[in-house]
Amino acid sequence: AQKITQTQPGMFVQEKEAVTLDCTYDTSDPSYGLFWYKQPSSGEMIFLIYQGSYDQQNATEGRYSLNFQKARKSANLVISASQLGDSAMYFCAMREGSTGGFKTIFGAGTRLFVKA
Amino acid sequence: NAGVTQTPKFQVLKTGQSMTLQCAQDMNHEYMSWYRQDPGMGLRLIHYSVGAGITDQGEVPNGYNVSRSTTEDFPLRLLSAAPSQTSVYFCASSLASGGYNEQFFGPGTRLTVL
Repeated sequence: AQKITQTQPGMFVQEKEAVTLDCTYDTSDPSYGLFWYKQPSSGEMIFLIYQGSYDQQNATEGRYSLNFQKARKSANLVISASQLGDSAMYFCAMREGSTGGFKTIFGAGTRLFVKA
Repeated sequence: NAGVTQTPKFQVLKTGQSMTLQCAQDMNHEYMSWYRQDPGMGLRLIHYSVGAGITDQGEVPNGYNVSRSTTEDFPLRLLSAAPSQTSVYFCASSLASGGYNEQFFGPGTRLTVL
């Protein structure tokens, strides 16, 4: 069955430092996509980065990068040079291909606190 | 483009009442879905649709119905509201279900069931 696990309920990071948010997944579908979303205190969902199961290189988007280790079924988000505005909830999500009906499920999230 | 719109933004119901949460998108997205988010938790998939006339159950479908008569609209019906359905409801849409495009989310509906 499709499953997403985020084991860090909360994380603290000093401003300007890098932080890694963990995400592991489980699926039997060979074709899937992995996503990270940010949810600030205002409540909206903001897409950050995407990694496809067949992508050979790790995805990067500005200060965000995705450390994709397919054999370990992990897709950790790395935020470099943290900013105060990065304080938010972060969700890992997975969409399966046709085998899984294309549905997207989310992990429980990690709350990131950036300290000045 | 308005993107994904949801109405109402807030709603208070009494136990046993029924209501429909509206969701519409103007991006011609085939894929639409409904999630609920309980305090301090992640999003749980209620129902989803890969196109007009096609719907399927997600992780927590009990107590909810959906239909998809048009590409644009994907309403969520609460049949008989229960306090356990107090939550924030998000509607989302994305391009082709076969692709791995990001989902665009609506602003959410905050529902309280007394």
